[in-house]
Amino acid sequence: EDQVTQSPEALRLQEGESSSLNCSYTVSGLRGLFWYRQDPGKGPEFLFTLYSAGEEKEKERLKATLTKKESFLHITAPKPEDSATYLCAVQPPSGYSTLTFGKGTMLLVSP
Amino acid sequence: EAGVAQSPRYKIIEKRQSVAFWCNPISGHATLYWYQQILGQGPKLLIQFQNNGVVDDSQLPKDRFSAERLKGVDSTLKIQPAKLEDSAVYLCASSPFTGGYEQYFGPGTRLTVT
Repeated sequence: EDQVTQSPEALRLQEGESSSLNCSYTVSGLRGLFWYRQDPGKGPEFLFTLYSAGEEKEKERLKATLTKKESFLHITAPKPEDSATYLCAVQPPSGYSTLTFGKGTMLLVSP
Repeated sequence: EAGVAQSPRYKIIEKRQSVAFWCNPISGHATLYWYQQILGQGPKLLIQFQNNGVVDDSQLPKDRFSAERLKGVDSTLKIQPAKLEDSAVYLCASSPFTGGYEQYFGPGTRLTVT
């Protein structure tokens, strides 16, 4: 069974204090690893897809990286508006590729 | 481009009652998903449609949940009868194709069963 574990469960940062969120996974092969952002009362918003180890993608203050067993979401000089829950999901290579989500990391950035 | 639309946004029912949720995906998206998100958890797939057909409903509690997607566009998810443990946010998502493509989520319907 595919497993996705995100850590930490919650993270509190001061504005400008950079940090990383972790997503470790066990899946037989990997078609893609997805990062989503979810604000309270809203549906998840797509951020990145990573397909192979060594791949990196950036968007504003966020950078996602992928190894064979885990992915990191690096947040550089975060702002209060980056506060949200960040979800990681994996997609196996076979069949219809159902996404398996982790529980998420709740990030709070204080001014 | 309009996003995924869902209604209602909130619903409160008593246990053993029935409830239905509606979803209109992004225009042209062939694949539609229904997820259940319990507070503090990530979304869990209930059912996946490719056009009109069901391609994955392995985690759908079929004794009480049903879903349909008529004409390959809108979809309805029904719960009958509801249980307390069905309290959750029900998310609809769509993607252009199945496999390897990002999914776009609607705002969800928050269901409270009392």
